[in-house]
Amino acid sequence: DGGITQSPKYLFRKEGQNVTLSCEQNLNHDAMYWYRQDPGQGLRLIYYSQIVNDFQKGDIAEGYSVSREKKESFPLTVTSAQKNPTAFYLCASSILTPGLVFYNEQFFGPGTRLTVL
Amino acid sequence: DAKTTQPNSMESNEEEPVHLPCNHSTISGTDYIHWYRQLPSQGPEYVIHGLTSNVNNRMASLAIAEDRKSSTLILHRATLRDAAVYYCILRDRSNTGKLIFGQGTTLQVKP
Repeated sequence: DGGITQSPKYLFRKEGQNVTLSCEQNLNHDAMYWYRQDPGQGLRLIYYSQIVNDFQKGDIAEGYSVSREKKESFPLTVTSAQKNPTAFYLCASSILTPGLVFYNEQFFGPGTRLTVL
Repeated sequence: DAKTTQPNSMESNEEEPVHLPCNHSTISGTDYIHWYRQLPSQGPEYVIHGLTSNVNNRMASLAIAEDRKSSTLILHRATLRDAAVYYCILRDRSNTGKLIFGQGTTLQVKP
């Protein structure tokens, strides 16, 4: 079955530790995205990538880093510089039709709930 | 980015139609109107999108006002599985593809 997988579902870390969240897709999508969701709020964009080895900052990139070494993988690292990392993290992907990125549906993974103790 | 305004919450009875409103008075002529929904503890899923004309798919219908300053997502027969947060999103013609989420409408469906 095609889709997006995120692991783990729940993650606990001590304050000051870096942590990497996994996101893998087998949809052959070019574009991938990371969003953060806080309780009772909508999603906010952290980083996005439209092609391998290239990515751009979203609205709340401070304290986060990403890599895109393979088309199907877009891991997110939450660094110790992120002031309030406890949140629900969602990865998404979409096809990338030139000139029609605004039109294409985004497919979301099940999310990773990160709690920093 | 153009903004949308939605009611915080709505209630519906099972098997009845549900009309979820969205105001977007600052919409530009080329913005598409997208709807996503998020079930509890899951990632959002696409529901429907449109530009000017009303749209139908297997999940829902989208009615767009003639001046495009508002739209309504219509679930024809609500089921308990439709209980979710529904997000109305405007997508511009930039190449980022990013979605700008508001707080959405929490739909409760009563049996």
